[in-house]
Formats: sequence, structure tokens, C-alpha cells
Amino acid sequence: AQKITQTQPGMFVQEKEAVTLDCTYDTSDPSYGLFWYKQPSSGEMIFLIYQGSYDQQNATEGRYSLNFQKARKSANLVISASQLGDSAMYFCAMRETGGGNKLTFGTGTQLKVEL
Amino acid sequence: EPEVTQTPSHQVTQMGQEVILRCVPISNHLYFYWYRQILGQKVEFLVSFYNNEISEKSEIFDDQFSVERPDGSNFTLKIRSTKLEDSAMYFCASTRPGQGAADTQYFGPGTRLTVL
Repeated sequence: AQKITQTQPGMFVQEKEAVTLDCTYDTSDPSYGLFWYKQPSSGEMIFLIYQGSYDQQNATEGRYSLNFQKARKSANLVISASQLGDSAMYFCAMRETGGGNKLTFGTGTQLKVEL
Repeated sequence: EPEVTQTPSHQVTQMGQEVILRCVPISNHLYFYWYRQILGQKVEFLVSFYNNEISEKSEIFDDQFSVERPDGSNFTLKIRSTKLEDSAMYFCASTRPGQGAADTQYFGPGTRLTVL
């Protein structure tokens, strides 16, 4: 089974609108971390936001927030007030404490922000 | 703001040749990683390195691959005899120590390796 599933290969959003990128995960480790990275067309991987499995509140970083639903094993990224510069590939990743330090990535969602 | 750097940005090589990809992690980080991303696919873990030794490696990281920290700043990935299927973007990443699952891995800009 896939550890990280991103079911939306591509998404479109209009500028200034909010968009939700889906991520579900699968782990039996009680301690884990969930990360979102942005990969623009230039190729670099930019860290956006982190959510720990024991965190009581949803993480927020500026226009990024994480809708963490632990019982459903989902960690959706919400981008508010989309900008043209948000057009990029977005990857969800998980780090399991019992799985060493490695990140396991999903297949990504290509987001395009339109005028 | 400190960042991970990688050189070269693009490397073209002939099949069978050796390549060395170089990374300079963030200076106070102690855990180092290599990942690769074949064009259009997801990012895959290759190897993690801590305290001058490999702490974990994936099935991809076979005998053709090796890593080294030759001095206090560089972290290298060597591919001994490149194959066509090694063509990919290779990312180096590093983390600060001791924060458990909260360790955030900061990635370098990547080296695009093209094997002809």
C-alpha cells in the first residue's frame, strides 16, 4: 500500500481564491510528521509547512494551513488567496519516527493559478 | 538565511562513467540525505548519513552508489558506473539534530544528471 497518496494530479484555481490539495497517509507508527513541499518549474524543493502527529492544533504558516484529520489519516494543504507564483508542483511527505529519518513522498499535485 | 547548496546544477555524462555530485549542507546540521527524482515522478529516498556513517539506505542505493563527507562541509554522492536509468534530479537535504519527528529536511536546489 502507498504510504502517501495524493489523488489530484492537477488542480486549477483562480487568483485570490483558496485551494485545497489533498493528502492521505498510511502508517501504524504513533509518532510521525507530515510535510508539504513546493517544487516550482525551476526544480528546487521548498519546505512549506509541518504537522506533528501529536500536535493538537492545525499548523499554519502565512497563507498555508494544514487541515489535519488524524482519524481519517489526512493532511490536506490549504492555500489561501492564491497568487500566480503559487503555480507549482506540491508534494506531501511523511517521516515516521520508527522508520528512520527518511521522508516518503507522494506523487504530487500540479497546481496552476489562473487570472 | 542559511541554505543547502549543490554543484553542479547540471551534469552530463556518458554511460559507464563515474560521477560525483557535491553538496554543502547547512552548517549546524548533522543529518544528511540524498534523494532522487526521475523526470515526472515522485521524490525517492536514497540514503541518510549521520556521524560519518550511513544510517539508512534504500534498495536503489546499491553497490554503484557511495557517499562521503570528505571534510567538515561537503557531502558527496558518487555513482561509480552510471547507467541510463540513473538520469534524474538528485537532491541533497539536511536537518538539525534532536527534534524527533519535527526534524524538517531542507533541500538543495538539485543536480540534474543526464546519462547518455
